[in-house]
Amino acid sequence: QVQLVQSGAEVKKPGASVRVSCKASGYSFTNYGIDWVRQAPGQGLEWMGWTFPQNGDTKYAQKLQGRVTMTTDTSASTAYMELRSLGSDDTAVYYCAIIDGTVGFDYWGQGTLVTVSS
Amino acid sequence: ELVLTQSPGTLSLSPGERATLSCRASQSVSSSYIGWYQQKPGQAPRLLIYGASSRVTGIPDRFSGSGAGTDFTLTIRRLEPEDFAVYYCQRYGGLSTFGPGTKVEIK
Repeated sequence: QVQLVQSGAEVKKPGASVRVSCKASGYSFTNYGIDWVRQAPGQGLEWMGWTFPQNGDTKYAQKLQGRVTMTTDTSASTAYMELRSLGSDDTAVYYCAIIDGTVGFDYWGQGTLVTVSS
Repeated sequence: ELVLTQSPGTLSLSPGERATLSCRASQSVSSSYIGWYQQKPGQAPRLLIYGASSRVTGIPDRFSGSGAGTDFTLTIRRLEPEDFAVYYCQRYGGLSTFGPGTKVEIK
């Protein structure tokens, strides 16, 4: 079965960077893109970007351009999301997900809480 | 940049009632790229509808989606207790975006 297992919670100071990992299993890692979505406490969903492991193609939300980098390690079936210059409004649960809107399925990681606090 | 607006922000209904949720896009969107999600507290979202009107396998048929162009609708025919949650629309594919969500709460 498809599983996405994310790294553990992080506490970071303002201005720091964070890297969240998402280890995939149960499917061919290079066949599907991985979306990153975050959710601030009590707020809605925010799409952050997407990466395609097969060729490294990426798309980022305009709001995060220049501050976010999404990469994959195909040998480890793992995707990474790095966010730099953290501010308090980056405090959120970060999810990785496979969303196939053509066939109609989605799989989500368990979420990683990133807290930015001085 | 595409903006999705959802209304109402909160819908207060009783079990057995019909829920109609709206998602309006700031520009025309292909129906192929509209999805609806359900999210319950402490859980990841779950895709219910894709391609604006196709139900994901295993989703009860009381959930239905419709719409085209800039206006899309999620209808829950008869609310069950487990349907009270927050619902989001999404334009996926390329640069994706979510709407702000509609909370369906028990009246």
